[in-house]
Amino acid sequence: AQSVTQLGSHVSVSEGALVLLRCNYSSSVPPYLFWYVQYPNQGLQLLLKYTSAATLVKGINGFEAEFKKSETSFHLTKPSAHMSDAAEYFCAVSHSGGSNYKLTFGKGTLLTVNP
Amino acid sequence: GAVVSQHPSWVICKSGTSVKIECRSLDFQATTMFWYRQFPKQSLMLMATSNEGSKATYEQGVEKDKFLINHASLTLSTLTVTSAHPEDSSFYICSARLAGATGVDEQFFGPGTRLTVL
Repeated sequence: AQSVTQLGSHVSVSEGALVLLRCNYSSSVPPYLFWYVQYPNQGLQLLLKYTSAATLVKGINGFEAEFKKSETSFHLTKPSAHMSDAAEYFCAVSHSGGSNYKLTFGKGTLLTVNP
Repeated sequence: GAVVSQHPSWVICKSGTSVKIECRSLDFQATTMFWYRQFPKQSLMLMATSNEGSKATYEQGVEKDKFLINHASLTLSTLTVTSAHPEDSSFYICSARLAGATGVDEQFFGPGTRLTVL
């Protein structure tokens, strides 16, 4: 079974400050890991993904995440927060389940950015 | 490219009625679509996996007779909530997997449908 734990349901930062959203996973097989962003009343948009290539993954909007197997972590960072980054962020894990690649999501972290 | 739409974006219905939600892949074919449910301030919970031309596979605890899923074409899957009750009120999101995809990440999400049952 696979699972995802996101530490901190709510993170608040000042505009221009570092963003760090934490994600730890549990998987019995090599995982594929994702970060998604959700704006209010909208679907999910893929920020970035780890699929066993480079451990440091760069995504859209200046976000990046580092896969650390020893720590079973995949934390999301951005050097300088922007007001438009305020949203809900979900970490997700997947592995090959036949051909369907089901995703298991964490509970999400709400990011607020203060001016 | 890879746009997924849902219709309606929101719906209000009376208790006991049925509601149909459509999920369409607009510019690609999707052999597999997924239906998720999201409660306020909570994560997405996978309800079922829908494969074109075959019966949907439901997750444990999801009533297949209450949440009817049809995936009759490579671009359309529907979720029908039958005899809806207030506890079915939620945000329903679909995603579509690109037909022929071999990678793990070719899954695109729709904008969601807000269902409110009075």
